[in-house]
Amino acid sequence: GEDVEQSLFLSVREGDSSVINCTYTDSSSTYLYWYKQEPGAGLQLLTYIFSNMDMKQDQRLTVLLNKKDKHLSLRIADTQTGDSAIYFCAESINDYKLSFGAGTTVTVRA
Amino acid sequence: SQTIHQWPATLVQPVGSPLSLECTVEGTSNPNLYWYRQAAGRGLQLLFYSVGIGQISSEVPQNLSASRPQDRQFILSSKKLLLSDSGFYLCAWSDSGGTGQPQHFGDGTRLSIL
Repeated sequence: GEDVEQSLFLSVREGDSSVINCTYTDSSSTYLYWYKQEPGAGLQLLTYIFSNMDMKQDQRLTVLLNKKDKHLSLRIADTQTGDSAIYFCAESINDYKLSFGAGTTVTVRA
Repeated sequence: SQTIHQWPATLVQPVGSPLSLECTVEGTSNPNLYWYRQAAGRGLQLLFYSVGIGQISSEVPQNLSASRPQDRQFILSSKKLLLSDSGFYLCAWSDSGGTGQPQHFGDGTRLSIL
């Protein structure tokens, strides 16, 4: 099946870490992605991870993958006001298709 | 580097009018191209994808059509718009290298139907 689920909202204080969680259902997914969407804009690819990896780190971003539980998370260290956006988790279904979650709106408060 | 352009950025059209949204990609050859719609509620729905000139795959039955007249040009069209066609339309591209190629999105077109 193709079903990616995310919590809808996350509020975090500036300077704290944000953790956005995602679950997916297609055990054959080979790649999982995180995208960021700022208001009125398109989706920006943040990072992606191959399914045989447990973790990937890129500056302030850390992706953790638990393939057994089909759970993916994105941690943003030292969250800034510019990190306020909608974050989408997506899984690869085949060579052409991605299945997206509904997005998590992250609000950074001072 | 590769870039993707979509236009127009916003469009207000009456019900029953035609539609043409255009997307072009620069800096790559033979990309896979995609049209998505993002309705209020933010989920993305894949409408069409194309793996080459003149090759269009439709994901959902709808009032829209797509064409790829050139390698890096993707067009979304309708002969007669419906109210339900309102939404945010996103074009995307990926390298044609098999599973795992990330998709890269344009800035989108906000379409409002009156």
